[in-house]
Amino acid sequence: QKEVEQNSGPLSVPEGAIASLNCTYSDRVSQSFFWYRQYSGKSPELIMSIYSNGDKEDGRFTAQLNKASQYVSLLIRDSQPSDSATYLCAVFYNQGGKLIFGQGTELSVKP
Amino acid sequence: EAQVTQNPRYLITVTGKKLTVTCSQNMNHEYMSWYRQDPGLGLRQIYYSMNVEVTDKGDVPEGYKVSRKEKRNFPLILESPSPNQTSLYFCASRRDFGTDTQYFGPGTRLTVL
Repeated sequence: QKEVEQNSGPLSVPEGAIASLNCTYSDRVSQSFFWYRQYSGKSPELIMSIYSNGDKEDGRFTAQLNKASQYVSLLIRDSQPSDSATYLCAVFYNQGGKLIFGQGTELSVKP
Repeated sequence: EAQVTQNPRYLITVTGKKLTVTCSQNMNHEYMSWYRQDPGLGLRQIYYSMNVEVTDKGDVPEGYKVSRKEKRNFPLILESPSPNQTSLYFCASRRDFGTDTQYFGPGTRLTVL
């Protein structure tokens, strides 16, 4: 079983809709969770971090964490064509200081 | 400006010709690492360094070497590149081993013919 799993997509949503991106992880002791956005050929850019169960909102982005279910998600409200990118989920394992990435979900927002 | 830089950004080479990809950060970070990214496989860690003269293997270290003689620099060395090392490479740094916020360089696209 992979340590961090995401649906590879592509996920296609119309402009203005809510895009929902999901991620599951295998290690219950993980404490820190991140969402990175990566445009084609560019480096990953950190957009959200979440450490506690529940929701964390930042502008149009909401990260949701459920440690009991080992599940973290990212909601993008009012999706824009400029949101079209690959979204990487990353989980930090305190023991070993390792940041593990999922394979990424490609999002396409259609005008 | 706080940043991680890599050079070259693009490189086409031939099998067996030694090459070095440089990485430098200006944030006085202790922890640096190298990743490769391939379609469908995501980001995989090659090597990491917790401080000067301290390096260790990541998940896919075969065929690569690194050194950390200065805090700011962490070069990636391919002694004898092969076509299966064709990939997009990223250098990254963070403040220290226990810090979770990581910053990435712009990437180096390597093609080995």
